[in-house]
Amino acid sequence: AQKVTQAQTEISVVEKEDVTLDCVYETRDTTYYLFWYKQPPSGELVFLIRRNSFDEQNEISGRYSWNFQKSTSSFNFTITASQVVDSAVYFCALNRDNNDMRFGAGTRLTVKP
Amino acid sequence: NAGVTQTPKFQVLKTGQSMTLQCAQDMNHNSMYWYRQDPGMGLRLIYYSASEGTTDKGEVPNGYNVSRLNKREFSLRLESAAPSQTSVYFCASSVLDADGREPQHFGDGTRLSIL
Repeated sequence: AQKVTQAQTEISVVEKEDVTLDCVYETRDTTYYLFWYKQPPSGELVFLIRRNSFDEQNEISGRYSWNFQKSTSSFNFTITASQVVDSAVYFCALNRDNNDMRFGAGTRLTVKP
Repeated sequence: NAGVTQTPKFQVLKTGQSMTLQCAQDMNHNSMYWYRQDPGMGLRLIYYSASEGTTDKGEVPNGYNVSRLNKREFSLRLESAAPSQTSVYFCASSVLDADGREPQHFGDGTRLSIL
């Protein structure tokens, strides 16, 4: 069985603070893909990043960075110097080498001015 | 450049009524999906279609049927709506590229309320 756990239901920070969103996954597969999506208040789902199980390199994209650690089955997401526009629900997702995608329950991030 | 288009955006049904949610994509993707999103539960996969002519059950298929009409269109049908099916429904599509599984592209969602 595959499962994604986002233990943080809600996080609230003040603008310019750094914040890390946790994602822990379970799978028995050796080939799998991990994703992060953002859902702003307008409701659409925006793709942020994809990682395959063979690529453990961390990635940085502007203020966003991702830390993938297979040893702890975690794929955490850090926003540096958060902004009000980062306020959204963030979903971590796991996809095996097929079409069955499993999402975590999401973390609601509120960035206050 | 529409991407994934869902219709309708909003719908209110009475218990027992039937309804078909439509989804179309113009990205020539092979795979299409239907999810439901409920508060505190993230997105759950209802059905997916890996290619034209094939459909498979996801995590929560009970109470739903799907049709992959052609490569572009994937519809979701509620034959006898129940209040437990009140949710936001998302359609998505993706393609398997040389680097592995492409991210899914989502429609804007259909907010369905069943009274």
